[in-house]
Amino acid sequence: DIQMTQSPSSLSASVGDRVTITCRASQSIIRYLNWYQQRPGKAPKLLIYAASSLQSGVPSRFSGSGSGTDFTLTISSLQPEDFATYYCQQSYSNLLTFGGGTKVEI
Amino acid sequence: EVQLVESGGGLVQPGGSLRLSCAASGFTFSSYEMNWVRQAPGKGLEWVSYISSSGDTISYADSVKGRFTISRDNAKNSLYLQMNSLRAEDTAVYYCVRKYYGSGGKYFDHWGQGTLVTVSS
Repeated sequence: DIQMTQSPSSLSASVGDRVTITCRASQSIIRYLNWYQQRPGKAPKLLIYAASSLQSGVPSRFSGSGSGTDFTLTISSLQPEDFATYYCQQSYSNLLTFGGGTKVEI
Repeated sequence: EVQLVESGGGLVQPGGSLRLSCAASGFTFSSYEMNWVRQAPGKGLEWVSYISSSGDTISYADSVKGRFTISRDNAKNSLYLQMNSLRAEDTAVYYCVRKYYGSGGKYFDHWGQGTLVTVSS
């Protein structure tokens, strides 16, 4: 199974900050990497697929990069509604597994 | 509009059984692979089970293999998860999730609101 490791597990930031979250795969997944946002009490929401493609309706302050085993999610200017938990997910194998999550707090 | 609505969650004793249902609407259900994903209280997301669009290919996480059974009824636009021999560690919100295949790969593009399963005596 492909293991996904996110760092940090949590971070504190302020509105307007630039935030970067990293995700590492246990083997190369090329660019088959997705990012999700989960607000408290809500279902996860797809933000980015294929490492850097923005899902329709997602603000452009979100961006993704990387390939192989190392990937990043960047929020260019943190907004109040961005305080949430973020998960990466590999889609290289048929069984899509998640990273442990990164909680973005004030 | 795509909608996935789970039902069937609740409180069950250890060793008991529960059947979750997911009613799908707003898309051609029979064309999509479906999954169950769960989230224990305060924990991360855990993929639980997968079923192909026709139902002939199925997979399970090791943590539920032999105890859970996924199925679907394309005529009723419904997905199911039969959960037997439930344990305290199965306590979680269970999400019904649609899997989408795009040019950039595959991902979970629509999620239900989730249904809470609590295993406790």
